[in-house]
Amino acid sequence: GQSLEQPSEVTAVEGAIVQINCTYQTSGFYGLSWYQQHDGGAPTFLSYNALDGLEETGRFSSFLSRSDSYGYLLLQELQMKDSASYFCAPSKGDKLIFGTGTRLQVFP
Amino acid sequence: NAGVTQTPKFQVLKTGQSMTLQCAQDMNHNSMYWYRQDPGMGLRLIYYSASEGTTDKGEVPNGYNVSRLNKREFSLRLESAAPSQTSVYFCASSAGGAENEKLFFGSGTQLSVL
Repeated sequence: GQSLEQPSEVTAVEGAIVQINCTYQTSGFYGLSWYQQHDGGAPTFLSYNALDGLEETGRFSSFLSRSDSYGYLLLQELQMKDSASYFCAPSKGDKLIFGTGTRLQVFP
Repeated sequence: NAGVTQTPKFQVLKTGQSMTLQCAQDMNHNSMYWYRQDPGMGLRLIYYSASEGTTDKGEVPNGYNVSRLNKREFSLRLESAAPSQTSVYFCASSAGGAENEKLFFGSGTQLSVL
């Protein structure tokens, strides 16, 4: 079976750091991806962790621990434009399974 | 380079009507996907195609059919629409292999079934 958990909502102020956690129980799991989706828009790819550890891409970093079935997305120096929904997505074979997403609201 | 193109952008159907959602990508990607997104439910995989000529069921395939017409095109058909199929539908593609997790999404189709 499979289950995926993310917080439903996170709030923060501009310039702050926020961490969005993702826990999963997915058989045959390969790696963990993160996607961003602005209201009314399509999801866009942010990062992918194939192995344990931290991947950094500019202001965003993503972490994976397979042994703990846990990952997180770290957003630094928050900007208003970062207000969006963020989805973790474990990959299983040829497909990605998306969580229900975390809505991030950034306030001035 | 248009990326992933979906048509139509909006559609209203009556219960029992049929329609086909079209999707095409110009990135020479091997894999293509159809997802639906409902409020509070995230993205759920309907069907996917790992390569031209193959299709497989995802999490919520009932009530849908797909056709991988060629490498570029992957269509989704609702044979007899139901109100439960009111949703936003996204088509996506990926190169496959080591790039399989990097999906490129179309802009979506807002479908309402009355």
